[in-house]
Amino acid sequence: DVQLLESGGGLVQPGGSLRLSCAASGFTFSSDAMNWVRQVPGKGLEWVSGISDNGAGTYYADSVKGRFTISRDNSKNTLYVQMNSLKDEDTAIYYCATKLFEEASGHWGQGTLVTVSS
Amino acid sequence: QSVLTQAPSASGTPGQRVTISCSGSNSNIGSHTVSWYQQLPGTAPKLLVYNNNQRPSGVPDRFSGSKSGTSASLAISGLQSEDEADYYCAAWDDSLNGVFGGGTRLTVL
Repeated sequence: DVQLLESGGGLVQPGGSLRLSCAASGFTFSSDAMNWVRQVPGKGLEWVSGISDNGAGTYYADSVKGRFTISRDNSKNTLYVQMNSLKDEDTAIYYCATKLFEEASGHWGQGTLVTVSS
Repeated sequence: QSVLTQAPSASGTPGQRVTISCSGSNSNIGSHTVSWYQQLPGTAPKLLVYNNNQRPSGVPDRFSGSKSGTSASLAISGLQSEDEADYYCAAWDDSLNGVFGGGTRLTVL
């Protein structure tokens, strides 16, 4: 079975940094594009960032461009997102997910909560 | 404001057929395939439909998707109480962004 396990969430002050990780298993990680999606509790889904299977292509929502960096280590089956200059509005549950759009495989982790607050 | 537009709510009675619509533009739905996700309360989303009308294994055939032009629809037939959830459409956009609809909360009366 496909498993995606996020970690690294927590409380951080505005302007601070946090790195989220997503450990993948149960599928050929190096063959699948990956994504980060966030959700403010009680609100809708917001796509944050995506990365191609080999890491050569990276994509960002305008709301995080220049502040977040997505990366992956295919030798460790792990997806990352480095989040810098965090703002109050970045507070959300962050999900990692496999390919979500074209030819979607659509597997999701359980999410990790990021709270940005002083 | 979401790039893809969905009605915020829908409802039906057990056994009924309901349809959830998703409206986009030429740069997203008009040029790319549509996926649909179901999110039960307190859980992560789950893929229901991909490539406009394909179901992953394990998804009941009560769920069906379609696309026409810049709009897409998810139909649920034989509505059951466990179908009460939030439903999201999703597509890639030519701006190299993923886009979701705002979500439709389905209530089974």
